[in-house]
Amino acid sequence: DSGVTQTPKHLITATGQRVTLRCSPRSGDLSVYWYQQSLDQGLQFLIHYYNGEERAKGNILERFSAQQFPDLHSELNLSSLELGDSALYFCASSPSTGAEGYTFGSGTRLTVV
Amino acid sequence: QQQVKQSPQSLIVQKGGISIINCAYENTAFDYFPWYQQFPGKGPALLIAIRPDVSEKKEGRFTISFNKSAKQFSLHIMDSQPGDSATYFCAAESYSGAGSYQLTFGKGTKLSVIP
Repeated sequence: DSGVTQTPKHLITATGQRVTLRCSPRSGDLSVYWYQQSLDQGLQFLIHYYNGEERAKGNILERFSAQQFPDLHSELNLSSLELGDSALYFCASSPSTGAEGYTFGSGTRLTVV
Repeated sequence: QQQVKQSPQSLIVQKGGISIINCAYENTAFDYFPWYQQFPGKGPALLIAIRPDVSEKKEGRFTISFNKSAKQFSLHIMDSQPGDSATYFCAAESYSGAGSYQLTFGKGTKLSVIP
């Protein structure tokens, strides 16, 4: 157990729908990063939050948004879902803003049908 | 500029052999190079990492070799075991502004160690 908790583990939904993925970071970690993993694109950075504040955006679609709450858990919201959004979504947490100490969760597998 | 190119895509090694995975990058601003190991159904887990001020780092059977001038780094797994069968990702860290650092990942190498 990495200490980073992601729920749900699996999600199947229809095109056009909206889903919310949840991530609880390791105790004491202030940063949460979201990544999308697909077979053809590999692991792609989506967004980074540090202590409730958005710090960086990567290849995140406008249909996607995220936030980090005062208790430091984070949610990734995906809307108007398309078949191509089917992927594994990982969050990682770290104590600071750097990659050292990155710990990944086990991911949420999203299938859009 | 932000890409990290990883090869090979897949690798089959006999038990006891040496597994070698290579990565190359273009962005000279990258300053931290971790390798991650991922088993099916799990998230990537940090295996070993290096900063560009050293040319080699060894931890047990795992060694990173780093060539700053060639902008290449590689992972060597000595005495490969069936339990090492997993997907391996190289990555590189860069500053993305507002005090944030992000990782750019290679596309992964699926390693199979056969008895």
